[in-house]
Amino acid sequence: ELKVEQNPLFLSMQEGKNYTIYCNYSTTSDRLYWYRQDPGKSLESLFVLLSNGAVKQEGRLMASLDTKARLSTLHITAAVHDLSATYFCAVDRIDDMRFGAGTRLTVKP
Amino acid sequence: NAGVTQTPKFRILKIGQSMTLQCTQDMNHNYMYWYRQDPGMGLKLIYYSVGAGITDKGEVPNGYNVSRSTTEDFPLRLELAAPSQTSVYFCASSQTRNQPQHFGDGTRLSIL
Repeated sequence: ELKVEQNPLFLSMQEGKNYTIYCNYSTTSDRLYWYRQDPGKSLESLFVLLSNGAVKQEGRLMASLDTKARLSTLHITAAVHDLSATYFCAVDRIDDMRFGAGTRLTVKP
Repeated sequence: NAGVTQTPKFRILKIGQSMTLQCTQDMNHNYMYWYRQDPGMGLKLIYYSVGAGITDKGEVPNGYNVSRSTTEDFPLRLELAAPSQTSVYFCASSQTRNQPQHFGDGTRLSIL
């Protein structure tokens, strides 16, 4: 069974600092997604990672995928308050799709 | 640009009642998905569709049914509502499985 673990589940950062969110999964996958969700809102797609070594960047966020380690990371550079949200990874196989529990990020001044 | 439209936004049902959650997309996407999100949790896939006339089960299909008669519409039906189905339901669509999913605003469903 496909299992997805995110850590940390809660993250409080100061503005200007860097940090990384980790997403581990238990079996081979075809693709990995990262999403952002603001409180009470829908999900916004951030990245789709398709192959080993894939790296994508958008603003202060950078996502990478290591399929051999079954690990994806979401790196935050010089955090700003607007990045406060919950971040989810999701792992997709041809016969299954599972989400992590989410990382609730709070960026403080 | 409408994107993915879900109706209703809120609904309260009594145990044993039935209802249909509507989802429509205007992007001509092939793939459509239904998820549920329980408080403080990630999403769980209920059903998905790769095109009109084709549907498949996700992680938590029990208690739900779907149909896909057109590319645009992907309704989700609850036949006998149970308290365990209290959740926020999201519909999403994508052109292919390798492309980002676009989400609707969600339907908040309470079953009492």
